[in-house]
Amino acid sequence: DVVMTQSPLSLPVTLGQPASISCRSSESLVYSDGNTYVSWLQQRPGQSPRRLIYKVSNRDSGVPDRFSGSGSGTDFTLKISRVEAEDVGIFYCMQTTYWPYTFGQGTKLEIK
Amino acid sequence: EVYVVESGGGLVQPGGSLRLSCAASGFTVNAIYMGWVRQAPGKGLEWVSVLYSSGGFKYADSVKDRFTISRDISKNTLYLQMNSLKAEDTAVYYCARAHGVLWGQGTPVTVSS
Repeated sequence: DVVMTQSPLSLPVTLGQPASISCRSSESLVYSDGNTYVSWLQQRPGQSPRRLIYKVSNRDSGVPDRFSGSGSGTDFTLKISRVEAEDVGIFYCMQTTYWPYTFGQGTKLEIK
Repeated sequence: EVYVVESGGGLVQPGGSLRLSCAASGFTVNAIYMGWVRQAPGKGLEWVSVLYSSGGFKYADSVKDRFTISRDISKNTLYLQMNSLKAEDTAVYYCARAHGVLWGQGTPVTVSS
């Protein structure tokens, strides 16, 4: 199975400051069609997950442009340019290149 | 509007069965793939099963030979038949569309005597 390793697991951030989460996979996630199926999800307290980023760097509809994704191969990053109060929750990276599809352990973002 | 609604969760004894349903709106359940993801209390996310547009399917090792995924295109609904349930199957079960683009609100399953 592909292991997705996130860091940090806890991320206290001051409002208005930037934040960054790293995700490393145990093997390359480039699919045979040339795409890299790495997504970033946010799960707010008491809510279902929602996808923010797909195929490494594409923002989903309605996602604020302060969220950005980057990376390639086995190293991926989610960046928030200026953290807002509504960003509190757990962020997961996810790969849907190889079955079983797998998630990172989750990074809990809190406001300092 | 595009959404999915799960139902069918509940309390069941070890060894029992449940069938979860995921009713889709705004798209067809046989497009690309759909699946089930679960989240045990206070834990992370785990893909349980997927059903591809081709009819092919996959299961996590932890549920293989116990769970069965299926769909009814006429009802635009995805199902997960869960048999021989164990305490470790206790979780909120989410229906998710391809690559996690859409999630339902989840349905809780508790396996306990």
